[in-house]
Amino acid sequence: GAVVSQHPSRVICKSGTSVKIECRSLDFQATTMFWYRQFPKKSLMLMATSNEGSKATYEQGVEKDKFLINHASLTLSTLTVTSAHPEDSSFYICSARDEGQGYGYTFGSGTRLTVV
Amino acid sequence: QKEVEQNSGPLSVPEGAIASLNCTYSDRGSQSFFWYRQYSGKSPELIMFIYSNGDKEDGRFTAQLNKASQYVSLLIRDSQPSDSATYLCAVYNQGGKLIFGQGTELSVKP
Repeated sequence: GAVVSQHPSRVICKSGTSVKIECRSLDFQATTMFWYRQFPKKSLMLMATSNEGSKATYEQGVEKDKFLINHASLTLSTLTVTSAHPEDSSFYICSARDEGQGYGYTFGSGTRLTVV
Repeated sequence: QKEVEQNSGPLSVPEGAIASLNCTYSDRGSQSFFWYRQYSGKSPELIMFIYSNGDKEDGRFTAQLNKASQYVSLLIRDSQPSDSATYLCAVYNQGGKLIFGQGTELSVKP
């Protein structure tokens, strides 16, 4: 099946700084990628849909100026958490549709962000 | 009403037993249904998908779908301790978004 690579796997940053998370499709081209956020013991919440060559589509309640998404190529989407605060600490996961798996999503390995 | 609902558990079964995980969804127009397994601290991995009413078997896993009742389930036969994880049900809604339930934590006791 499709492979989605995400890094870094863990990052600790100071409050007020920005963090960039990269998501790459390794063996296929992904015109669309999806960014999720997961708090401990909670489900995955879709944050935004990343579209290659165009603006991302954000879910209701997600601040687009805080969570900047760039999908500059068919294999790379990035999420930048700007001016991070402790409440942004979470598990961020990217994904892409996998035609070989019934169009279910294949997920990257996730990024554990801790803001101190 | 949540779009996708699961019992959060934990569900505890002895090794070798059948684990039954259930999920209901609200969008009657949904056509595609998925089960993911998520180990603690890891990202979800797809284990099964089902589109048609009835059963679909893959090894020790069986997915069951009943669109009239808006219900999808996952059975795990001969449960092993390595099956201990959180199982997430996911459904494509008519808006084309994959929506996840809150997950059911399964614990298989040796």
